Amino acid sequence: GEDVEQSLFLSVREGDSSVINCTYTDSSSTYLYWYKQEPGAGLQLLTYIFSNMDMKQDQRLTVLLNKKDKHLSLRIADTQTGDSAIYFCAESMNTGFQKLVFGTGTRLLVSP
Amino acid sequence: EPEVTQTPSHQVTQMGQEVILRCVPISNHLYFYWYRQILGQKVEFLVSFYNNEISEKSEIFDDQFSVERPDGSNFTLKIRSTKLEDSAMYFCASSELSSSGSYNEQFFGPGTRLTVL
Repeated sequence: GEDVEQSLFLSVREGDSSVINCTYTDSSSTYLYWYKQEPGAGLQLLTYIFSNMDMKQDQRLTVLLNKKDKHLSLRIADTQTGDSAIYFCAESMNTGFQKLVFGTGTRLLVSP
Repeated sequence: EPEVTQTPSHQVTQMGQEVILRCVPISNHLYFYWYRQILGQKVEFLVSFYNNEISEKSEIFDDQFSVERPDGSNFTLKIRSTKLEDSAMYFCASSELSSSGSYNEQFFGPGTRLTVL
């Protein structure tokens, strides 16, 4: 079945890089995503990667995909206090209406 | 920028009561979804809806749940007889028409926190 796992908590200092990791089980995943959830807000899509890619860079965000190990990571360069939030990894299959399967979420705390 | 809205932001109800959670998807979107997140747990898919019918539903979405698009703008989730374990944050999402194999972002609303007492 589909399962997505993440570590629960990450603490970094402002200016450092943050790396949030995720593992998934379903090899038929077509798209993998990173969502951000700030307190009291909905889920905001940060970036996604198609399964035939190894890497995607978008400004301070770098996504790495190791399809063999079913491992996805999100690197945030020059982490700011405003990056403090919960980060969810998610996957969708190549079927119909792209139901999202989410991980548990990683709470990122950035201290000054 | 268009956004998905949800009302109410917080709903408190007694066990056994019916609740209706409301969502207004982005106006040109055609796919609609409900997800829920029990406190401290994963965000879980409940149901997807297209062309006035359910496209897919999870095991969670049993006979107590129903969805409806009563007019051209609202998308609702009804829980007929709430249980304590229905307490969760419920997220609505919508996306544009997607051809097979292509990607369309799901835009999420801010959620409705449902508390069943």
